Amino acid sequence: EAQVTQNPRYLITVTGKKLTVTCSQNMNHEYMSWYRQDPGLGLRQIYYSMNVEVTDKGDVPEGYKVSRKEKRNFPLILESPSPNQTSLYFCASSLSTGIPYEQYFGPGTRLTVT
Amino acid sequence: AQSVAQPEDQVNVAEGNPLTVKCTYSVSGNPYLFWYVQYPNRGLQFLLKYITGDNLVKGSYGFEAEFNKSQTSFHLKKPSALVSDSALYFCAVSSLMDSNYQLIWGAGTKLIIKP
Repeated sequence: EAQVTQNPRYLITVTGKKLTVTCSQNMNHEYMSWYRQDPGLGLRQIYYSMNVEVTDKGDVPEGYKVSRKEKRNFPLILESPSPNQTSLYFCASSLSTGIPYEQYFGPGTRLTVT
Repeated sequence: AQSVAQPEDQVNVAEGNPLTVKCTYSVSGNPYLFWYVQYPNRGLQFLLKYITGDNLVKGSYGFEAEFNKSQTSFHLKKPSALVSDSALYFCAVSSLMDSNYQLIWGAGTKLIIKP
């Protein structure tokens, strides 16, 4: 089944404790992206990747890191989480960005930083 | 500046009635428009898109959307609403930036279908 998977689905952590949210897709998509969703603010892009070893900042990259060592995986790293990073996070992928393909989304990771 | 507006935070419709969720956009160049749906505790799912051709686009779950270039709108419609259509709906426009297409998202509209 074609899908985007994220782990964990729920995470409660404390300020400053490094964490990684994994994202994996099995569709051989070139493009991957991370979003955060907050009430009233819609979706905001954190980072995206056009292909392996190619990443770029989105609209709200501060406090986050990403890497794209393999085509299928695009982990999101919070080196020192803070309470303002409490949010619902989505990973997404699409075939490429050469033409406007639709994006496929993971189920989301709800992160709480205390 | 390129943008997408969903003017209604919430839309309430009685089951069986037609529904419309509004979306307007502002982009330079040709607009490529999308609708996504988010059910509670789920990720976003693609519903439909307009790239070119017929202004009326049909998608999943009986939804359709009409592209109106003069009004820069892409409203989502369904002739007869179901309670199960209750969800959060996002409009997005794909914009060409530095040779690549990036999605610009609306803030979302909560659709509530009452029995």
